[in-house]
Amino acid sequence: GAVVSQHPSRVICKSGTSVKIECRSLDFQATTMFWYRQFPKQSLMLMATSNEGSKATYEQGVEKDKFLINHASLTLSTLTVTSAHPEDSSFYICSAREGFTEATDTQYFGPGTRLTVL
Amino acid sequence: QKEVEQNSGPLSVPEGAIASLNCTYSDRGSQSFFWYRQYSGKSPELIMSIYSNGDKEDGRFTAQLNKASQYVSLLIRDSQPSDSATYLCAVPGYSSASKIIFGSGTRLSIRP
Repeated sequence: GAVVSQHPSRVICKSGTSVKIECRSLDFQATTMFWYRQFPKQSLMLMATSNEGSKATYEQGVEKDKFLINHASLTLSTLTVTSAHPEDSSFYICSAREGFTEATDTQYFGPGTRLTVL
Repeated sequence: QKEVEQNSGPLSVPEGAIASLNCTYSDRGSQSFFWYRQYSGKSPELIMSIYSNGDKEDGRFTAQLNKASQYVSLLIRDSQPSDSATYLCAVPGYSSASKIIFGSGTRLSIRP
């Protein structure tokens, strides 16, 4: 299957700092990338959907000014958590989808980034 | 009604038995269906995709789809302790911009 990478895999930062997480599709061009957040023992929560070259679509309750998403190319999307606070500590996972036909609509997940805000 | 529904479990199955995981969805127009496995602390991993009514087999895994009943299931034969994980059912939307809807997942535990 297709490979999606995420960097960093783990980050610890002080409260008030900003953290950038990168998501790359390594062997395919992703028309759409998704960002999820998962708290311990809870389900995946979709934060936003991003399409290359356009503004991200945020889910209800997700602050777009706090979680900045940039999808500058077909292989790279970034999520920046601005002014992070301890309640932002979570497991952030990106996924990428190549297209929307039966052969290309599969969503592949990155390995995730564990963010701890002190 | 949730768009994709799964029993949260935990579902406990003895080693070597068949584990049966079920999922119902609300959008009759859905065309693609996916099963993901997520180990604790890891991201989801695609196991199976199914697009047509009937069964699709891949090794010890069989996905079953019944569009009339809006029901998709995953069978795991000869269950192993390594199959213990949370299994997520996923149903995407139509367009490239639409999101994929995930069920809340079923936690499966294989007991030795």
